[in-house]
Amino acid sequence: DAGVTQSPTHLIKTRGQQVTLRCSPKSGHDTVSWYQQALGQGPQFIFQYYEEEERQRGNFPDRFSGHQFPNYSSELNVNALLLGDSALYLCASSLTGGPYEQYFGPGTRLTVT
Amino acid sequence: GEDVEQSLFLSVREGDSSVINCTYTDSSSTYLYWYKQEPGAGLQLLTYIFSNMDMKQDQRLTVLLNKKDKHLSLRIADTQTGDSAIYFCAESKGGYQKVTFGTGTKLQVIP
Repeated sequence: DAGVTQSPTHLIKTRGQQVTLRCSPKSGHDTVSWYQQALGQGPQFIFQYYEEEERQRGNFPDRFSGHQFPNYSSELNVNALLLGDSALYLCASSLTGGPYEQYFGPGTRLTVT
Repeated sequence: GEDVEQSLFLSVREGDSSVINCTYTDSSSTYLYWYKQEPGAGLQLLTYIFSNMDMKQDQRLTVLLNKKDKHLSLRIADTQTGDSAIYFCAESKGGYQKVTFGTGTKLQVIP
């Protein structure tokens, strides 16, 4: 049983560019949440997708957007990248209505230069 | 608002017990979690406790919750070098609600 997978593993972008990160949830999970983890910090909630809609959003600007597909996989898009967007981006999956356990992927390390 | 605080660092000798502490501010928190993060890796859910519980034990792990003081602790018995990692305390209001994390406690186990 594959756990949560994320791609790519690492990414280097230039300030002002746009980036798309991808996540496949654990088998049987229907809910995907995205987190940003800056160096030395705990993860910060970006948003959550369920039934292809954004269900909750954290305190992040509109430059951060997402999408969920019918197979429950998800994308995180960040426009107009800033140096401060450099972080580890973590995807977590869970089952709405099931035991509330979030399983995290290994993350995508984004470096903005 | 939600805030979760932890001490930054803990050092213990192999074989001793480790106790990692956490305080949270939101009295409506329903689920309280402990996650482990090893270098270069994602987060691993270790255990969680419902706010109507005082204690939960799972093999070497014991979670204690003092809801009145909004204090959560994780005790690791017989700490091993493989337990060296960053431990995050986290809370949510339950269901599909977002999870708020602390800044993490780095546990160093000395052989």
